Amino acid sequence: DSGVTQTPKHLITATGQRVTLRCSPRSGDLSVYWYQQSLDQGLQFLIQYYNGEERAKGNILERFSAQQFPDLHSELNLSSLELGDSALYFCASSVEGRGGRTGELFFGEGSRLTVL
Amino acid sequence: ILNVEQSPQSLHVQEGDSTNFTCSFPSSNFYALHWYRWETAKSPEALFVMTLNGDEKKKGRISATLNTKEGYSYLYIKGSQPEDSATYLCALYNTDKLIFGTGTRLQVFP
Repeated sequence: DSGVTQTPKHLITATGQRVTLRCSPRSGDLSVYWYQQSLDQGLQFLIQYYNGEERAKGNILERFSAQQFPDLHSELNLSSLELGDSALYFCASSVEGRGGRTGELFFGEGSRLTVL
Repeated sequence: ILNVEQSPQSLHVQEGDSTNFTCSFPSSNFYALHWYRWETAKSPEALFVMTLNGDEKKKGRISATLNTKEGYSYLYIKGSQPEDSATYLCALYNTDKLIFGTGTRLQVFP
């Protein structure tokens, strides 16, 4: 158990809908990262928050947004969903702001989104 | 676009065989190279984080080396066991992002 909690584990929805994925980082970790893993693709970096502020951005679509709350949990909002958004969405956390520069990331078990 | 490439894409070996995978990355602006082990239906777990050229790390039967000048890292598994079956991911830390390769899927047959 990595200590990172993601909900829901599975989600099935229709095209055009909006969903929210939630992540609680490990106790004491200030950074939260969101990754997307689509079929036959690697983990694609979406966005990172550190202590409530956006820190780094990857190839995140404009239809997607995220935030980190004062209690450090984070939410990833996906709107106007398309079939191609079906993927496994991972959250990870680290203590430091530049997570990965010296230390590992701790991953949750992912939220599997299916868009029909 | 930063490219982290892993080879082979998949590997099937017999129990007891030793095996190795490669991770290639751009050598400029190097900060750190990670290896993660990802079992089906679980979350990726860190094996090693390496930051210095020539780094060698070991955990049980698994070890890794790093060459930052030529931009590659090797992961070795000695005496593979069925429980080593997983996807092995490498990731490069660069400009505030941890960029993952597509992984090497290892299956070890008893």
